[in-house]
Amino acid sequence: DTAVSQTPKYLVTQMGNDKSIKCEQNLGHDTMYWYKQDSKKFLKIMFSYNNKELIINETVPNRFSPKSPDKAHLNLHINSLELGDSAVYFCASSQQWGGGSDEQFFGPGTRLTVL
Amino acid sequence: QKEVEQDPGPLSVPEGAIVSLNCTYSNSAFQYFMWYRQYSRKGPELLMYTYSSGNKEDGRFTAQVDKSSKYISLFIRDSQPSDSATYLCAMTPPRGSTLGRLYFGRGTQLTVWP
Repeated sequence: DTAVSQTPKYLVTQMGNDKSIKCEQNLGHDTMYWYKQDSKKFLKIMFSYNNKELIINETVPNRFSPKSPDKAHLNLHINSLELGDSAVYFCASSQQWGGGSDEQFFGPGTRLTVL
Repeated sequence: QKEVEQDPGPLSVPEGAIVSLNCTYSNSAFQYFMWYRQYSRKGPELLMYTYSSGNKEDGRFTAQVDKSSKYISLFIRDSQPSDSATYLCAMTPPRGSTLGRLYFGRGTQLTVWP
């Protein structure tokens, strides 16, 4: 039983295309996140939703648009893909928002390659 | 200055060695300190967490926090090839803080060779 799942696992696309990544968690958590991990393994937070409400929007180009249709799902749509968008994108979830000891559970990642 | 500093390595040690991984931080609001382990081509998984200062032991792993120095460590005793992974430190303030999210270090890539 996968706790946090992402699709697709791999995504290879041309510059300028639009693509979406989907994430689902079956843990009953209130909070979900999108992270970007570059080739040097730095994990950078992009967005966070709590109960379908956007609460973190880091300095991310507006080509990236998250959407949370319900608490269990958080999708990421990327317009006009650029070479620099190539990275691994991780979805994560936690019981609650706002610090404390809550563990974040990560999905397996989506490896995006922009050609 | 970044919130959390971590030497990315890589670190390569022989099986059985004691490994020391470290992070420093700048924000005194951080109270919860975590270590995540990430195997190649997988998502990070929580390894250990510690609240405030002190030590915590779990099998071959010991986490230490020194809040006065803003310095945290993870020690791995009798390291095994299966410990080869990237180790990311992470920290967060208490619940309710406006800073309430995880702040990650860059991760240290560890290889334990047989």
